[in-house]
Amino acid sequence: EAGVAQSPRYKIIEKRQSVAFWCNPISGHATLYWYQQILGQGPKLLIQFQNNGVVDDSQLPKDRFSAERLKGVDSTLKIQPAKLEDSAVYLCASSPPGQVLYFGPGTRLTVT
Amino acid sequence: GQNIDQPTEMTATEGAIVQINCTYQTSGFNGLFWYQQHAGEAPTFLSYNVLDGLEEKGRFSSFLSRSKGYSYLLLKELQMKDSASYLCAVRDLSGGYNKLIFGAGTRLAVHP
Repeated sequence: EAGVAQSPRYKIIEKRQSVAFWCNPISGHATLYWYQQILGQGPKLLIQFQNNGVVDDSQLPKDRFSAERLKGVDSTLKIQPAKLEDSAVYLCASSPPGQVLYFGPGTRLTVT
Repeated sequence: GQNIDQPTEMTATEGAIVQINCTYQTSGFNGLFWYQQHAGEAPTFLSYNVLDGLEEKGRFSSFLSRSKGYSYLLLKELQMKDSASYLCAVRDLSGGYNKLIFGAGTRLAVHP
């Protein structure tokens, strides 16, 4: 079974630029998550989708971050404009409802 | 709100046993997970507890006491490859949906 796919794996941008990340979850997983993991910290939930609807986006900085999950499958996370403090690994995960989360390899973002 | 505490760092000797503790506070507890994360990689699922008691899976065991808000991960016969961060995560249902909240992680260093 294929795992969660993410791209790109690495991205370096200057502050105030925009960036987008892509995630393809495990086939059949209805729930998709985006987590932000700053170096030395645990993952922080940014947004959670159930199919193509948003379940929780309480910790998403909505003035600069946006996410969508079209057709309940792939998802994109966008940052516009980026700040230095956005430097982190962005992890996408998927799960059947209420089950174990499986993580993708992550996108390491560096904002200079 | 939710709060998850675990030690920041631990060291242990190859072949020994180590116990990583996790305490949590949440209003809608619906299970506790342990994930392993090697440096530069995504978290991978280790264990899940929803009822009190010990769950054993090979060299790894996880214990839960819901009344005390306490869990531990026990690693036996330590190997060098067990050097990683261990993330305690609580599944919370207080918002009417399952949300997985991570602690900051415990960095375990196994030395010869």
